[in-house]
Amino acid sequence: DIQMTQSPSSLSASVGDRVTITCRASQSISSYLNWYQHKPGKAPDLLIYTASNLQSGVPSRFSGSGSGTDFTLTISSLQPEDFATYYCQQSYTTSWTFGQGTKVEIK
Amino acid sequence: QVQLQQWGAGLLKPSETLSLTCAVYGGSFSGYYWIWIRQPPGEGLEWIGDVTHRGTSNYNLSLKSRVAISLDTSKNHFSLKLNSVTAADTGVYYCARGRKECTSGCLSFDYWGPGTVVTVSS
Repeated sequence: DIQMTQSPSSLSASVGDRVTITCRASQSISSYLNWYQHKPGKAPDLLIYTASNLQSGVPSRFSGSGSGTDFTLTISSLQPEDFATYYCQQSYTTSWTFGQGTKVEIK
Repeated sequence: QVQLQQWGAGLLKPSETLSLTCAVYGGSFSGYYWIWIRQPPGEGLEWIGDVTHRGTSNYNLSLKSRVAISLDTSKNHFSLKLNSVTAADTGVYYCARGRKECTSGCLSFDYWGPGTVVTVSS
């Protein structure tokens, strides 16, 4: 299986901050990388698909970039509703795998 | 608007079979993958398996010997069965829709059910 490693595992940030989360794959996955937001007690939401495509209805402050093994999710100006855990997921092989998650907390 | 509703037993004893069903409302079964994902307490997300609208299934190798995912297109339902459960199978179980953007790979999970808490305890 392809291993996905996110960094950091958690971070503290303030409203209005620019936040960047990194995801690294154990082998090249081209651009086949998705990002999800997960809040406690709710189902995850798809934010970004195929590395940089914004899912319909997702605010434009979210963006994704990268290809090969290294990817980033950026929140340009953190809002109160963005405090959550974020997961990357590779969609290169049919054994779909997630990163371990990055928890974004209020500073 | 696509909605997924899921149900099934939430408390199981070791060695029993976990059985969950997910109903799809407001969308077609055709052309999508139908997914089960779980989250153990305090851990991240784990893909369990999926089934295509044609009934072809694909499972996580770590669970393959115990899992079965099936489709009932007449009811717009799909189901998960996981046998011989242990405490390690405790967690929140989600059903989801998989959307493919290309012919190989590139599957994203765009609609999710609300989750079912499953506890395995003697």
